Amino acid sequence: DGGITQSPKYLFRKEGQNVTLSCEQNLNHDAMYWYRQDPGQGLRLIYYSQIVNDFQKGDIAEGYSVSREKKESFPLTVTSAQKNPTAFYLCASSIEPTGMVHEQYFGPGTRLTVT
Amino acid sequence: GEDVEQSLFLSVREGDSSVINCTYTDSSSTYLYWYKQEPGAGLQLLTYIFSNMDMKQDQRLTVLLNKKDKHLSLRIADTQTGDSAIYFCAEMWPGGYNKLIFGAGTRLAVHP
Repeated sequence: DGGITQSPKYLFRKEGQNVTLSCEQNLNHDAMYWYRQDPGQGLRLIYYSQIVNDFQKGDIAEGYSVSREKKESFPLTVTSAQKNPTAFYLCASSIEPTGMVHEQYFGPGTRLTVT
Repeated sequence: GEDVEQSLFLSVREGDSSVINCTYTDSSSTYLYWYKQEPGAGLQLLTYIFSNMDMKQDQRLTVLLNKKDKHLSLRIADTQTGDSAIYFCAEMWPGGYNKLIFGAGTRLAVHP
């Protein structure tokens, strides 16, 4: 079964702690993305990666970091510098970063609550 | 600027048609998308339309694109209770990298 997995589904952390969210895909997709969703708002792009060992900042990268050491994995770290980290985080992937095959497929999301 | 707007809520009776509307700002967007999100879940790609098309039909779904007015709509025929969800309109940012600009989502409630 091919797809995108995110774990855990729910995550609770104390303020001031860093936390890493997992995203794994077995679709053999080159490009991967992290989005943040807040209530009543659309998704906003945090980071994206077009290829292994390369990634770029999206619109709201401050307070976040990523790595892309393997094609199938794109973990997101929410650092203590992120001022408002409580949100629903969604990972997505697409076959290639640009070109004719453009559809993005999403994982089930991780709901992070920081108190 | 980058902005996609949608009405926030739509209520329809089971069996009726639903029409969800969206306006976008970037006329050079190449693709426009409709995603569905059920409670607590990720986004499911429903359909998309290329900017040189006016209409696309896929079973119960019909997408209409008015490029002059930058208006996109999604019509769901014979709406069922299982269609209750949040529907997001998104445009592909023409600057590259498959960046998607999302609207805030329209919550569709289907009642008997």
